[in-house]
Amino acid sequence: DAGITQSPRHKVTETGTPVTLRCHQTENHRYMYWYRQDPGHGLRLIHYSYGVKDTDKGEVSDGYSVSRSKTEDFLLTLESATSSQTSVYFCAISESGAVAADEQFFGPGTRLTVL
Amino acid sequence: RKEVEQDPGPFNVPEGATVAFNCTYSNSASQSFFWYRQDCRKEPKLLMSVYSSGNEDGRFTAQLNRASQYISLLIRDSKLSDSATYLCVVLNQAGTALIFGKGTTLSVSS
Repeated sequence: DAGITQSPRHKVTETGTPVTLRCHQTENHRYMYWYRQDPGHGLRLIHYSYGVKDTDKGEVSDGYSVSRSKTEDFLLTLESATSSQTSVYFCAISESGAVAADEQFFGPGTRLTVL
Repeated sequence: RKEVEQDPGPFNVPEGATVAFNCTYSNSASQSFFWYRQDCRKEPKLLMSVYSSGNEDGRFTAQLNRASQYISLLIRDSKLSDSATYLCVVLNQAGTALIFGKGTTLSVSS
């Protein structure tokens, strides 16, 4: 299995509080992604990174920000959490990016509940 | 029309059965296609890529029909361990991101 960890694995928070999710990889892959998965929607891309300090928006980026200061870490921040952000969040990595048809390896997921 | 559409199922089949899933995609310019598998409360994992000529991996066969813009996955001799959700995945037009279908759930019973 690819070396990807996510922390925390579970979190319950209140509306309006900031939340940061961490993705850590040991594969030295260039590309990292944040997805959310909700019933009835499947996986949707939030943000992705194609290198240190290089990030771009995905399909559902509103309300989220990301940072990547090191190859191995990709942080997802909810500046002010809302109940609509209750979801399962998956981090993924790939070596050469989606266009290269590289396999994306997913982390175990973080279950976030916003009350 | 949604970018990637799948029949959500569930498909309930006995062990040993053959089952087929279809998926349609809206962007005729799409170039890369995949099937991912996701077990309950687990992360998705790549099952197989889908090539224009079709490809087979053991009991699994994937086919691509560009003219009709659909992708299929055939599972022969179903095992209990095949029970999972199968995600149809297509590369977006810009080539920057994967678009996931909502998944088709398969339940294989003894």
